[in-house]
Amino acid sequence: GESVGLHLPTLSVQEGDNSIINCAYSNSASDYFIWYKQESGKGPQFIIDIRSNMDKRQGQRVTVLLNKTVKHLSLQIAATQPGDSAVYFCAENRAAGNNRKLIWGLGTSLAVNP
Amino acid sequence: SQTIHQWPATLVQPVGSPLSLECTVEGTSNPNLYWYRQAAGRGLQLLFYSVGIGQISSEVPQNLSASRPQDRQFILSSKKLLLSDSGFYLCAWKVGGTDTQYFGPGTRLTVL
Repeated sequence: GESVGLHLPTLSVQEGDNSIINCAYSNSASDYFIWYKQESGKGPQFIIDIRSNMDKRQGQRVTVLLNKTVKHLSLQIAATQPGDSAVYFCAENRAAGNNRKLIWGLGTSLAVNP
Repeated sequence: SQTIHQWPATLVQPVGSPLSLECTVEGTSNPNLYWYRQAAGRGLQLLFYSVGIGQISSEVPQNLSASRPQDRQFILSSKKLLLSDSGFYLCAWKVGGTDTQYFGPGTRLTVL
């Protein structure tokens, strides 16, 4: 079936290190990808997005890489801080009839050790 | 700027009781609105979405229903709650024709 999944359910990093969270998708028709951060007890917060006509997009301390050949998406967080501890979700957007639908991954829990 | 509100923040209800969760969006017109449920430690499950007043699409058959009585108001209801309805309920909005959804703070529902 079609799905968006994550390679690692949990990731533990040292403060100051770089973090890489991976995501695989299976539908080559998906043309838009989003990363969200969800802190405990809160709603998901938009981090960064990328369209399928791009390979890389950078934000503040975050970079999203898209490899369409292998249907792989990654989120890189530079100089990880304790405030980055959260669950990170990738989602893909694709046409579904007359609507566009977000398909969500399962999430990766990032723990930052001081 | 746009803001999205949900209430209540937490709710504890007995099995068989009714439910009404409310979501409102400010600072935008004719948004697409969404209700999601998230079980503990799990991903997001889309329950309902709406592209306009009175227009509701259901993604998962269940004992929940949704209504959109006003442009920026989205309500999630149930006549009789089940234990399996416990979870974290999230409302989201987006501008029609765009892709990014923005989430509210969520409602933690516990059915006992």
